[in-house]
Amino acid sequence: NAGVTQTPKFRVLKTGQSMTLLCAQDMNHEYMYWYRQDPGMGLRLIHYSVGEGTTAKGEVPDGYNVSRLKKQNFLLGLESAAPSQTSVYFCASRRSGGVKETQYFGPGTRLLVL
Amino acid sequence: LAKTTQPISMDSYEGQEVNITCSHNNIATNDYITWYQQFPSQGPRFIIQGYKTKVTNEVASLFIPADRKSSTLSLPRVSLSDTAVYYCLVVADQTGANNLFFGTGTRLTVIP
Repeated sequence: NAGVTQTPKFRVLKTGQSMTLLCAQDMNHEYMYWYRQDPGMGLRLIHYSVGEGTTAKGEVPDGYNVSRLKKQNFLLGLESAAPSQTSVYFCASRRSGGVKETQYFGPGTRLLVL
Repeated sequence: LAKTTQPISMDSYEGQEVNITCSHNNIATNDYITWYQQFPSQGPRFIIQGYKTKVTNEVASLFIPADRKSSTLSLPRVSLSDTAVYYCLVVADQTGANNLFFGTGTRLTVIP
């Protein structure tokens, strides 16, 4: 099991460019999440999905879009990157159920927007 | 959602026991206390979860007093590899998205 993988590991963008971050999980999890983490800060939830074909907004959704066309993949899109979106992005997944189900995180994608 | 408060940072020497206390005064009846660990340049990973009294696993112990307004994560005999940020979270016992809310955590530095 690879667990949760993220592509790419690192990316540099210019302001206004677009890109898509890919998250893949091989654990057949229902729920998937995208977080961002700024230096010295905790994680903040951007968007999440409770199943294939569904998405919902988290705490900081502005400037991002997501899609969950396949159960194992969760895509995070930046249509027009801004320097404020420079951050480390983490994807996570978990099984459906209650509080006992823990989240499994990917290794992160470092994004620098110039 | 109950807010948590924990120290920003702690230092410890190798081999010592480390106790990180988290305050969650407004914890609800159905809430659980969960701790995650994050190493530099990695995503967080689950350490331990509990509801009351004491929970122990191969990594840590979690002590929760009867009033549940605080909890203490205990790491026995830390090593340099335990240097990480430790997050205390209160998680509602409910189905659904059950989103996690991470604060800034406690940055533990283990000194040789």
